Amino acid sequence: EDQVTQSPEALRLQEGESSSLNCSYTVSGLRGLFWYRQDPGKGPEFLFTLYSAGEEKEKERLKATLTKKESFLHITAPKPEDSATYLCAVQPLPGGGGADGLTFGKGTHLIIQP
Amino acid sequence: KAGVTQTPRYLIKTRGQQVTLSCSPISGHRSVSWYQQTPGQGLQFLFEYFSETQRNKGNFPGRFSGRQFSNSRSEMNVSTLELGDSALYLCASRPRTGTGNTIYFGEGSWLTVV
Repeated sequence: EDQVTQSPEALRLQEGESSSLNCSYTVSGLRGLFWYRQDPGKGPEFLFTLYSAGEEKEKERLKATLTKKESFLHITAPKPEDSATYLCAVQPLPGGGGADGLTFGKGTHLIIQP
Repeated sequence: KAGVTQTPRYLIKTRGQQVTLSCSPISGHRSVSWYQQTPGQGLQFLFEYFSETQRNKGNFPGRFSGRQFSNSRSEMNVSTLELGDSALYLCASRPRTGTGNTIYFGEGSWLTVV
């Protein structure tokens, strides 16, 4: 069974204080690892897709990296508007016996204080 | 380009009733999937439809069902509602099933069962 564990569950940072969010996963075969941002009362907003170990992607203050067992979302010099819940999800390769849908972690609730 | 559109946004139902939620995918996307989000379980995959056929299914009881129309629009139905069905129901779309394409989410339908 595919599993995704995110840590920490919650993180409070000062504006400008860089940090990293962790996503550990177990999957029979990885088709893709996805990062989403979710604001209260809204649907998840797509950030990144990573497909293979060693891959990195950047967008503004965010950088996502991938290894064979985990992914990190690095936040550099965050601003209050970066406050949100960050969700990690994995999609398995076909033929693994499970559904083709995304398996999500519980998320990291990030608060950036001015 | 319009995003994934879900209706209604909010609804309240009584135990034992049934509910139908609607989803219009991003133009050109033919795969529609549904997820349930609760504080305790997080985001969980319900099912995915492509070309009017259910392609994948998560671990939910048969009370949860769906369908897809020829224009790719989708509906999901929950019969004999239980208090535990109170959740945010999210619809997501991607160009086709069976790939690592990015999955885009709508804003969700908030269902409260009383």
